[in-house]
Amino acid sequence: AQSVTQPDIHITVSEGASLELRCNYSYGATPYLFWYVQSPGQGLQLLLKYFSGDTLVQGIKGFEAEFKRSQSSFNLRKPSVHWSDAAEYFCAVGDLANAGGTSYGKLTFGQGTILTVHP
Amino acid sequence: EAQVTQNPRYLITVTGKKLTVTCSQNMNHEYMSWYRQDPGLGLRQIYYSMNVEVTDKGDVPEGYKVSRKEKRNFPLILESPSPNQTSLYFCASSIQGGGYGYTFGSGTRLTVV
Repeated sequence: AQSVTQPDIHITVSEGASLELRCNYSYGATPYLFWYVQSPGQGLQLLLKYFSGDTLVQGIKGFEAEFKRSQSSFNLRKPSVHWSDAAEYFCAVGDLANAGGTSYGKLTFGQGTILTVHP
Repeated sequence: EAQVTQNPRYLITVTGKKLTVTCSQNMNHEYMSWYRQDPGLGLRQIYYSMNVEVTDKGDVPEGYKVSRKEKRNFPLILESPSPNQTSLYFCASSIQGGGYGYTFGSGTRLTVV
């Protein structure tokens, strides 16, 4: 079964500093990978996704992520964090298998990383 | 505006009193899903639907029911809610399947006392 691990529960950075949020996945084939952001009291917004091709993916709000197959990782980065980036970030892996319909449609999330930004 | 709409946003209920959380999408998406979010556990899938009248269990289906009688609607039903179902619930839809990513609603915060 697929799984996602976000090793850092909570990260604190200063405004203007660089950011890297870690994500490791377990999946038997080439994964479809996602990063979502959830601002306080809000739903989930898609930041970026990786399906194939270039392993460095650009997203919204100045975020990027790099897919590294050898490390089973899909870390999220931003060169300069803004106070408005404070939120919870979720990495997810999509399951495209269709074994009797039992797993098709499944998007599996990590536990989330809470980002705090100090002024 | 393309969106997934859930109602209500907040709900407090008592143990055992049946409730329904509605979900509607206006994007003509085939796939819809329900997730619950709990601190430290991320989002866990409850049920998903691949089309009208086609649904399947996710990771945590116990205590929940769903139905998909129309393409746009996917209500979540708690026949006999219990306090361990206190959570933040999200409905989501996708044109190609959850594996390709979902568009999420704004969430329903449910408290069962």
